[in-house]
Amino acid sequence: EIVLTQSPGTLSLSPGERATLSCRASQSVSNSQLTWYQQKPGQAPRFFIYGASTRATGIPDRFSGSGSGTDFTLTITRLEPEDFAVYYCQQYGSSPITFGQGTRLDIK
Amino acid sequence: EVQLLQSGGGLVQPGGSLRLSCAASGFTFSSYAMTWVRQTPGKGLEWVSAISGSGGNIYYADSVKGRFTTSRDNSKNMVYLQMYSLTAEDSAVYYCAKNRHEGAATYDSWGQGALVTVSS
Repeated sequence: EIVLTQSPGTLSLSPGERATLSCRASQSVSNSQLTWYQQKPGQAPRFFIYGASTRATGIPDRFSGSGSGTDFTLTITRLEPEDFAVYYCQQYGSSPITFGQGTRLDIK
Repeated sequence: EVQLLQSGGGLVQPGGSLRLSCAASGFTFSSYAMTWVRQTPGKGLEWVSAISGSGGNIYYADSVKGRFTTSRDNSKNMVYLQMYSLTAEDSAVYYCAKNRHEGAATYDSWGQGALVTVSS
């Protein structure tokens, strides 16, 4: 099973700042089959980035994903108030499907 | 617009059974695999089960294998999760989710979630 470790656990930033979220895999993620989701309190996860770097429909270009192998990054340039949420990574290259534990992005 | 509307959560005693339902609309249901994911504060998001578009292939997490059954009715655009022999560790919010496409276990639409509480 691939274990995904996200860091930091919590990130406190101000609107307008840049956020860098990390997702590290215990083994190489096949074909960069990694997804990022955003979740707000009381809501289901929302599909954000797949294939490590492809934005889902409607996701603003201030969000970008990068990485391959075992190291992946979600970058948010110029944070907007609506971006403060929990972000999860998920790998779908190997069975079983696994998720990271999440990074909480808080308003400073 | 894709919509996944869940029903069937609730309180159940240990050892009991419960069935979750997920009604899909806004896409060609039979062309997409569907997945169940659960979430707890302690364990986070956990993949539970997936079913192919035709219903011919079904997969389970080891933690639920032999206790949970996933099925779908493509004539009704419904997917189900039948849960048996429930324990406290099965308490979670359960989500149904639509796979982005048949070959990719990444989920582009999610239901609103159904809370399952296993307690006496």
